[in-house]
Amino acid sequence: KNQVEQSPQSLIILEGKNCTLQCNYTVSPFSNLRWYKQDTGRGPVSLTIMTFSENTKSNGRYTATLDADTKQSSLHITASQLSDSASYICVVTGTYKYIFGTGTRLKVLA
Amino acid sequence: NAGVTQTPKFQVLKTGQSMTLQCAQDMNHNSMYWYRQDPGMGLRLIYYSASEGTTDKGEVPNGYNVSRLNKREFSLRLESAAPSQTSVYFCASSEMGGEAFFGQGTRLTVV
Repeated sequence: KNQVEQSPQSLIILEGKNCTLQCNYTVSPFSNLRWYKQDTGRGPVSLTIMTFSENTKSNGRYTATLDADTKQSSLHITASQLSDSASYICVVTGTYKYIFGTGTRLKVLA
Repeated sequence: NAGVTQTPKFQVLKTGQSMTLQCAQDMNHNSMYWYRQDPGMGLRLIYYSASEGTTDKGEVPNGYNVSRLNKREFSLRLESAAPSQTSVYFCASSEMGGEAFFGQGTRLTVV
């Protein structure tokens, strides 16, 4: 069964600290993996896309990694800001279908 | 540069009432989707339209119908609303397999 699992479910950190979110997937065939950020009351917005051949990709303070052998991805947030408070959703694209994880809810405290 | 526009943003219905959620995109995407998002669950696909003139069931289609009116517009209809349909509904569009762009969501409460 195609599944995307994320951990932790929720996370609270202090402003300025780093954090890493995890995503494990069992989607086959695999096309790509995206991390989305969803602010409260808004639709998800794409942060990064990882294809099979890519190991690391950065978007400002966000760095995504992909290990296609172990089917794991991570999203590392550096020097967190209050505006990083949101849900982060891992989405794996299979054969023209998006498989969504349940998300990690991040809260950054001042 | 609107992207994906959904209406309404909020709606309260009584059990048994019907309503249509509207969605329009201005990115000339072929594919459009309707998802629902419930607490503790990932986005679940209700229906999708791979291209104008086609629609297919997703993971949770029961109680819903859709219409791909043209390339821009994809509507979701609840014929007889039930409390179990209380959720946040998102419309999205993409090129097949490409980045999905989401609307702002419709928060629906069925009492």
